Amino acid sequence: GENVEQHPSTLSVQEGDSAVIKCTYSDSASNYFPWYKQELGKGPQLIIDIRSNVGEKKDQRIAVTLNKTAKHFSLHITETQPEDSAVYFCAATYTGNQFYFGTGTSLTVIP
Amino acid sequence: DGGITQSPKYLFRKEGQNVTLSCEQNLNHDAMYWYRQDPGQGLRLIYYSQIVNDFQKGDIAEGYSVSREKKESFPLTVTSAQKNPTAFYLCASRRDSYGYTFGSGTRLTVV
Repeated sequence: GENVEQHPSTLSVQEGDSAVIKCTYSDSASNYFPWYKQELGKGPQLIIDIRSNVGEKKDQRIAVTLNKTAKHFSLHITETQPEDSAVYFCAATYTGNQFYFGTGTSLTVIP
Repeated sequence: DGGITQSPKYLFRKEGQNVTLSCEQNLNHDAMYWYRQDPGQGLRLIYYSQIVNDFQKGDIAEGYSVSREKKESFPLTVTSAQKNPTAFYLCASRRDSYGYTFGSGTRLTVV
């Protein structure tokens, strides 16, 4: 099955700096890569996703890039704010299959 | 508003007792999932169901059981066979090739 690795496990940045979280996957059949944000005691929420037919997608301060050849994808958060502090999970899947999640990155934005 | 409702938010189980976690969705999604989340770990799949009256085991199904009698409902029973049930349980649903929608979770503690 699919194996998703996520790095780093913890990340601290100063407010206003950028944060980058990286994931690698093993199954070349995977074609959908969502990112989730989980605040303490709550369920994860989808923040951005990308499909294998595009290399980059941006939504305001959040962007995701995908390198299919190298089988890795990354989440980029610019101009970080304290409310960005949370645990972020990446995932990989293909149509009809379950999601495989990374182990999460705990992001702390220091005011 | 459409969404997924998990109840209860907190649940306490005595040794040897079975407990059932509720998950209801009004999103008209066909597929539903149960995940377990332990501190510092990713999401591990317990069971999933792609259609009513059908479900499959995930990676850690031992000690758990589910039913899918209605499209809207996918309850999870944690049986006495599950030796370490203390965890945060997340229910999710999905439409076609889109991302998961998660519930707000149930925190189960053995007392």
